Amino acid sequence: QSMLTQPPSVSGAPGQRVTLSCTGSSSNIGAGYDVNWYQQFPGMAPKLLIYVNTNRPSGVPDRFSGSKSGTSASLAIAGLQAEDEADYYCQSYDSSLSGYVFGTGTKVTVL
Amino acid sequence: QVQLVESGGGLVKAGGSLRLSCAASAFTFSDFYMSWIRQAPGKGLEWLADISASGETIHYAESVRGRLSVSRDNSRNTLFLQMTPLTADDTALYYCVRGTLWFGELSFDFWGPGTLVTVSS
Repeated sequence: QSMLTQPPSVSGAPGQRVTLSCTGSSSNIGAGYDVNWYQQFPGMAPKLLIYVNTNRPSGVPDRFSGSKSGTSASLAIAGLQAEDEADYYCQSYDSSLSGYVFGTGTKVTVL
Repeated sequence: QVQLVESGGGLVKAGGSLRLSCAASAFTFSDFYMSWIRQAPGKGLEWLADISASGETIHYAESVRGRLSVSRDNSRNTLFLQMTPLTADDTALYYCVRGTLWFGELSFDFWGPGTLVTVSS
């Protein structure tokens, strides 16, 4: 059972800015644990997109940015492109489960 | 470039056992935590376990604790997963994943393509 809640879907026009939310609780994000974000295309393995809340691995466009506040985190995609259509998952550590948890996932659609 | 290749998936009968392997290359395997993460068809991601670089420390998800065993052989750059008994709920794509520690927590920075396990009743 996921402890991190994401909206099932988000859509936007090309060039638009969209924001994906990840809502946790006092045992994960709210406890100060860091948030990572992953991008997954159909039939492919997930790819790390943002680590430790705000950091982009080499090769990830700066259109992607992450933030964290309180019991939630957000992933923003600026200048949305058709190639951004994918599923996005947040992930953190949960102290009540003593393990890592993933969000429910958000499907981004480019209109 | 980092490569992780899982093997051992396939059709398994309910109540049976599963043994997966993951061959790692192009990085110093013995320097990194490794994890197993699975994804049921059409569903989200589920972390199963992680094992420290030396293999001395292993953590398991509550959902599989007691049924899952993870180990590694640093001399062969290989990660292993054993699970028994299996149920239909274990049907999933199993990913071998490298983890990097940041301030005591893992981010999962490289993923294998996954190996599909189907449990039949």
